[in-house]
Amino acid sequence: AQSVTQPDIHITVSEGASLELRCNYSYGATPYLFWYVQSPGQGLQLLLKYFSGDTLVQGIKGFEAEFKRSQSSFNLRKPSVHWSDAAEYFCAVAPPWGGNTPLVFGKGTRLSVIA
Amino acid sequence: DTAVSQTPKYLVTQMGNDKSIKCEQNLGHDTMYWYKQDSKKFLKIMFSYNNKELIINETVPNRFSPKSPDKAHLNLHINSLELGDSAVYFCASSLSQGSGNTIYFGEGSWLTVV
Repeated sequence: AQSVTQPDIHITVSEGASLELRCNYSYGATPYLFWYVQSPGQGLQLLLKYFSGDTLVQGIKGFEAEFKRSQSSFNLRKPSVHWSDAAEYFCAVAPPWGGNTPLVFGKGTRLSVIA
Repeated sequence: DTAVSQTPKYLVTQMGNDKSIKCEQNLGHDTMYWYKQDSKKFLKIMFSYNNKELIINETVPNRFSPKSPDKAHLNLHINSLELGDSAVYFCASSLSQGSGNTIYFGEGSWLTVV
């Protein structure tokens, strides 16, 4: 069965520091890959997604993610974190062959930003 | 303009009551979903509808009954509420039912059963 793992439950970074959130997937083929952000008390917003092609994907709010097939990873990065980035981040996967299989989410990584 | 809107945002109710959460999307999408987020923030799909037709029904108690009067609306009715139903319920939509479609989420409905 497909699965997605976010190894870090909680990360704290200083404002202005760089950020990397890890995501690993287990799938028979390269799935569609997504990163969503959930700000406190809000719904989920799509940051970026990878289907194929260039393995470095640019998203909104200055985020990017790199797909590495050899490591089954899709880590999210940001060069300089702002206090407003404090939120819960979810990696998600979907099968590449279409169909009705729903999006499967990781358990999330909570990002705290300190001054 | 809110793309996926759900009401109410907050709901506190007693065990045994019946409650509904309404959802509407103005994106012209064919597919709508209900997701449940538990206290540990874990997100799991409950239902998916495509053009008013049920296509995904995960292992959910039959006290939960989705209803889609048209493809822009997917309401969730819950009978005989239990303490364990306390969670955040997210409505979402996508252009179509294919797995590569981006899913757009509403802001969530915080349900507390006391």
